[in-house]
Amino acid sequence: KQEVTQIPAALSVPEGENLVLNCSFTDSAIYNLQWFRQDPGKGLTSLLLIQSSQREQTSGRLNASLDKSSGRSTLYIAASQPGDSATYLCAAFQGAQKLVFGQGTRLTINP
Amino acid sequence: NAGVTQTPKFQVLKTGQSMTLQCAQDMNHEYMSWYRQDPGMGLRLIHYSVGAGITDQGEVPNGYNVSRSTTEDFPLRLLSAAPSQTSVYFCASSYARQGYGELFFGEGSRLTVL
Repeated sequence: KQEVTQIPAALSVPEGENLVLNCSFTDSAIYNLQWFRQDPGKGLTSLLLIQSSQREQTSGRLNASLDKSSGRSTLYIAASQPGDSATYLCAAFQGAQKLVFGQGTRLTINP
Repeated sequence: NAGVTQTPKFQVLKTGQSMTLQCAQDMNHEYMSWYRQDPGMGLRLIHYSVGAGITDQGEVPNGYNVSRSTTEDFPLRLLSAAPSQTSVYFCASSYARQGYGELFFGEGSRLTVL
């Protein structure tokens, strides 16, 4: 059974720092991996989708990498801003009924 | 762009009542799904659909029914609400038939069952 783990559960950093969020999964047979952000009381906003054949994806200050062999994905946020404060979730996709989410990392950027 | 729209945003029910959570998307996505999000449990798949007329169960389907008569709409029905169904419900859709593509979520429906 696929298990997705995100460590740490919470992270607090000063504004301007570069940071890395981690996501690990136990079954490497995935079709893709997606990163989301969730603001309090809101839905999930898609950030980046990495297909299994890709190694990384970039969008603005965000860069996500995928290493299927080690069961790891990372989300790199450059030059963090207070507006980046949110919960970040990763989800490993194995099929129509096999999208497994991590518990999320709650990120706080301090001005 | 409306994207994925869920109604109602908030609902309070008494045990045993029934209701329908509505979900509509305007992106012509084949794949639609319903999740519930609970503290400490994360997001869990309830039901999903890969196209009009096709639905299937996810991880936690008991107590919920779905139908997919059109590409745009995917309502979730609670037949007899129970306190254990108190949760935040999210609808999501994807352009790939099996959900392989990027998944887009609605804003959520917050349900309390007393």
